[in-house]
Amino acid sequence: DTEVTQTPKHLVMGMTNKKSLKCEQHMGHRAMYWYKQKAKKPPELMFVYSYEKLSINESVPSRFSPECPNSSLLNLHLHALQPEDSALYLCASSQDPQGSKSNQPQHFGDGTRLSIL
Amino acid sequence: GQSLEQPSEVTAVEGAIVQINCTYQTSGFYGLSWYQQHDGGAPTFLSYNALDGLEETGRFSSFLSRSDSYGYLLLQELQMKDSASYFCATPGGGKLIFGQGTELSVKP
Repeated sequence: DTEVTQTPKHLVMGMTNKKSLKCEQHMGHRAMYWYKQKAKKPPELMFVYSYEKLSINESVPSRFSPECPNSSLLNLHLHALQPEDSALYLCASSQDPQGSKSNQPQHFGDGTRLSIL
Repeated sequence: GQSLEQPSEVTAVEGAIVQINCTYQTSGFYGLSWYQQHDGGAPTFLSYNALDGLEETGRFSSFLSRSDSYGYLLLQELQMKDSASYFCATPGGGKLIFGQGTELSVKP
């Protein structure tokens, strides 16, 4: 069990569907992250929220839309995805934003395994 | 830019000791972390070295040499449950930069 909860665990959707991935943490962490992970590859950063504000967008296509309703919740809205978007989507949080000069251990959820038909 | 290199696969037997190396090239360097990820599971934080030397946490130890731009994760008394992917990572640009990962297979 992890302290970061992601729902759903699995999602199959067509290319015209709209769906949302949800992430929740109750550790009081002030930074939250979305990653995409393909098999046998490291997590690939998509977005970072620091103090509920979007601080990093790694040039992610607009068919992925993040939202941070409050300090505990992070959503990823999906629309018109492509088959190559099939992957494991991981949410993570850290006590403070990942600075360049310090380590902030990131706590990951178990992920949502997304399949695009 | 920053890059971290680690072997793609390592195989060892139960009860043995294995070392997973990570070499890095960075424009600035602020320490090395290690994460473990079991197949189908979440990455979990194992250790962090900010300074040169060895950090020990139970059966796992992590080492850093800044002068050699090199670190390693040492796993002792290997167990079957240690079969997983292991990632080294370093902070940079407000985010974590991950190595490509090492898949460790522990055989009976």
